[in-house]
Amino acid sequence: SQKIEQNSEALNIQEGKTATLTCNYTNYSPAYLQWYRQDPGRGPVFLLLIRENEKEKRKERLKVTFDTTLKQSLFHITASQPADSATYLCALGTTGGFKTIFGAGTRLFVKA
Amino acid sequence: DGGITQSPKYLFRKEGQNVTLSCEQNLNHDAMYWYRQDPGQGLRLIYYSQIVNDFQKGDIAEGYSVSREKKESFPLTVTSAQKNPTAFYLCASSIGGSRNEKLFFGSGTQLSVL
Repeated sequence: SQKIEQNSEALNIQEGKTATLTCNYTNYSPAYLQWYRQDPGRGPVFLLLIRENEKEKRKERLKVTFDTTLKQSLFHITASQPADSATYLCALGTTGGFKTIFGAGTRLFVKA
Repeated sequence: DGGITQSPKYLFRKEGQNVTLSCEQNLNHDAMYWYRQDPGQGLRLIYYSQIVNDFQKGDIAEGYSVSREKKESFPLTVTSAQKNPTAFYLCASSIGGSRNEKLFFGSGTQLSVL
C-alpha cells in the first residue's frame, strides 16, 4: 500500500540554523509533492509544491528538493526563527486526482 | 476575507448520538473534502465532493455521511455507527477540475466522546 514516512521524532534546532526535514514514500508515483505547515489546533497551510519533473524549488527562506529515483523530498528552512516552530506535513498527489495522501508530519522546534 | 469556516471548534458526542460538523467556504471552489487527523497519523480522507450534488467515499467513509446541496457548504455527519469518533476533523477545498493540487483548510473541529 502507499506509504509516506516523515521523521516521527521532533527536530530541535537553534535560531539562525538551517532546518532540514525529510519525506520518504513507497508504492506511489506522484505527479507532485507538497509541504504544508500546521500549528497546534489549526488546519494545515500550503507552503510549496514541486512537480515530478522539477528537482528543486525555492520560496523566500524555504527550499524543497524532489528525487523521484530515491522517492524522497527534503524541505529546508534557512535562517530559522522561533516563529518557524510548527508541524510540517508532506503530501503527495496525482494530476487531476482528488486523493492527496499525507504524512504524519514532523514537529520542528526552533530555540532562540 | 475568503476562506473556509468550520464550526463548532469543539464538539462532544454522547453514545448513540449523531452529530453534524459544519463547513462553509467562500472561495468559489468546486471541490471540497473532509479529512480526519489522529495523533501520530497522517490526514485520512473521509469523503470528497467534486461538484454540487455529487460526492464520493474516501478511504475511511464507514460511519460518516455527507451532503453537498450548495457549492459553499459540505456538512459532515458522524453517525452512531462510527465507534471511534474522537479525532480532529478538517474540511478543505480546492479549485476543482484538474486543479486540485493546492488544498485550503479550515481551522478544524475537535470531536470527543462523552
